[in-house]
Amino acid sequence: ILNVEQSPQSLHVQEGDSTNFTCSFPSSNFYALHWYRWETAKSPEALFVMTLNGDEKKKGRISATLNTKEGYSYLYIKGSQPEDSATYLCAFRITGGGNKLTFGTGTQLKVEL
Amino acid sequence: NAGVTQTPKFQVLKTGQSMTLQCAQDMNHEYMSWYRQDPGMGLRLIHYSVGAGITDQGEVPNGYNVSRSTTEDFPLRLLSAAPSQTSVYFCAVRLRGGGPETQYFGPGTRLLVL
Repeated sequence: ILNVEQSPQSLHVQEGDSTNFTCSFPSSNFYALHWYRWETAKSPEALFVMTLNGDEKKKGRISATLNTKEGYSYLYIKGSQPEDSATYLCAFRITGGGNKLTFGTGTQLKVEL
Repeated sequence: NAGVTQTPKFQVLKTGQSMTLQCAQDMNHEYMSWYRQDPGMGLRLIHYSVGAGITDQGEVPNGYNVSRSTTEDFPLRLLSAAPSQTSVYFCAVRLRGGGPETQYFGPGTRLLVL
């Protein structure tokens, strides 16, 4: 069973703060790393798909980096807003893994006024 | 997730009852999967299908059956519901291509087994 770990489990920040969290995954047989944003009572929404070591993706105030050699990805949020409050999930896919994604348990972010 | 629909949105069952959770997509994506989401456990894969007529087990398949007779539909059957199957169930679809395609989720079905 593949182990995908996310830290911290939860995070409270003030509006305007910048924050980041980590997704750790096995470095062998890497194929792709996905990031999702999941608001309460909604379904997960895709943010990024990353495949290459050193990849950096950006969407508005949210960006992500990828290090496949050491097995981690960082998600950054610049100038957090209350609407950024959500659980951020990462999911890992290996080569030859039959298209299956293994999800981490998520980082729950709460942005307070 | 406009192209992925799930029904019902919410269901209460008694232990031992059976039911089918429906998932339908109009995105013409080959790959469909079912996940369950439980507190502290993240999303866990139940069953998946890479195309019509082909299904396979995921991480937690026991107590669930699936079939895939068409590209559009991927129903999940609970044969004899148990309280341990109380969860939120998500259907997801993805293109079966050569690259790391994005997976799109349905709105979820919340199931309570008493």
